[in-house]
Amino acid sequence: ELKVEQNPLFLSMQEGKNYTIYCNYSTTSDRLYWYRQDPGKSLESLFVLLSNGAVKQEGRLMASLDTKARLSTLHITAAVHDLSATYFCAVDIRAGNQFYFGTGTSLTVIP
Amino acid sequence: DTEVTQTPKHLVMGMTNKKSLKCEQHMGHRAMYWYKQKAKKPPELMFVYSYEKLSINESVPSRFSPECPNSSLLNLHLHALQPEDSALYLCASSQDRRGTANTEAFFGQGTRLTVV
Repeated sequence: ELKVEQNPLFLSMQEGKNYTIYCNYSTTSDRLYWYRQDPGKSLESLFVLLSNGAVKQEGRLMASLDTKARLSTLHITAAVHDLSATYFCAVDIRAGNQFYFGTGTSLTVIP
Repeated sequence: DTEVTQTPKHLVMGMTNKKSLKCEQHMGHRAMYWYKQKAKKPPELMFVYSYEKLSINESVPSRFSPECPNSSLLNLHLHALQPEDSALYLCASSQDRRGTANTEAFFGQGTRLTVV
């Protein structure tokens, strides 16, 4: 059974601080995606990671992928309130167009 | 254009009703998806269409019936739903895995379904 687990599930952090969200998955995959979801809204694509060692950065967020460890990280630098949202990783399984989401991390940035 | 359009945005239906959710994309994507999302939970994969053919059915009850009339449209027909089926239903599309390395999925705004 496929498992895509994120850690932590809930994160409350102060503005200006740094933190990392982890995404572990249990099956072989070379494609991993990060999404953001605001309350009551749809999913916004943040990062596309398509190979081992891939690193992408956008503003205060940086994502990386280690396919051998089956691990992706989303690093937050100098958090600001606007980053408050739920963040999901998603894994595309090799067998077909199967796109499975992680458990999600609810991030709250406190002024 | 990276837009996936879903209609309606909100739907309230009784347990004996029949209704349909609609999804449309014009990005030339050949994979389309239906997800169900309950509050504070991740989206759960329901169905996947690849080149207009149903390729994945995640053991979804038969009261949910998907349809892909053409490469741009995806429907979800609803019949005899239960209150526990109330959720946000999300449609997504992507390139098919067979054609590209990047299968980034683009999501519609969702239909908020309430079954009474």
